[in-house]
Amino acid sequence: EAQVTQNPRYLITVTGKKLTVTCSQNMNHEYMSWYRQDPGLGLRQIYYSMNVEVTDKGDVPEGYKVSRKEKRNFPLILESPSPNQTSLYFCASSLLGLGKNIQYFGAGTRLSVL
Amino acid sequence: RKEVEQDPGPFNVPEGATVAFNCTYSNSASQSFFWYRQDCRKEPKLLMSVYSSGNEDGRFTAQLNRASQYISLLIRDSKLSDSATYLCVVHNYGQNFVFGPGTRLSVLP
Repeated sequence: EAQVTQNPRYLITVTGKKLTVTCSQNMNHEYMSWYRQDPGLGLRQIYYSMNVEVTDKGDVPEGYKVSRKEKRNFPLILESPSPNQTSLYFCASSLLGLGKNIQYFGAGTRLSVL
Repeated sequence: RKEVEQDPGPFNVPEGATVAFNCTYSNSASQSFFWYRQDCRKEPKLLMSVYSSGNEDGRFTAQLNRASQYISLLIRDSKLSDSATYLCVVHNYGQNFVFGPGTRLSVLP
């Protein structure tokens, strides 16, 4: 089954404790992306990657890191989480190219930073 | 001005009604346009891609007006199951995807 898998689905942590949210896709998509969703603000892009070893900042990259060492994986790293990073996070992937760039989303990760 | 704007609603309509949503975008270089549907705090799912010529999928019709930089979504014969938030998305190839804030629809019995 074609899918984007995020883990964990739920996470409660404390300020400053490094964490990683994993994202994996089995569709051989070139493009992968991380979003956060907050009430009233909609989905905002954090980082995206157009291929292995290629990453770019989205609209809200501060406080986050990513890596793309393999095509299928795109982990999101919070080196020192803060309460303002409490949010709902989505990973997405797609092919590149007009007519093909439909994004498929993971089920989401609810993060609470205390 | 936000890059992608939508009326947040909520739109409360009776079953069977026709409802239309608009979305405006500011980047004239945007190349791809989509409508996604999101149920309460679940992942967004593609409803339709939007093409210059307009496209229809059953009860749903999407239109793109590049000159005025807006896209629209028309839902005919609304069902209870259409209740959701509808997200307008634009993409400039090689750059990031930009989501609108979403329009909330409630279809009432």
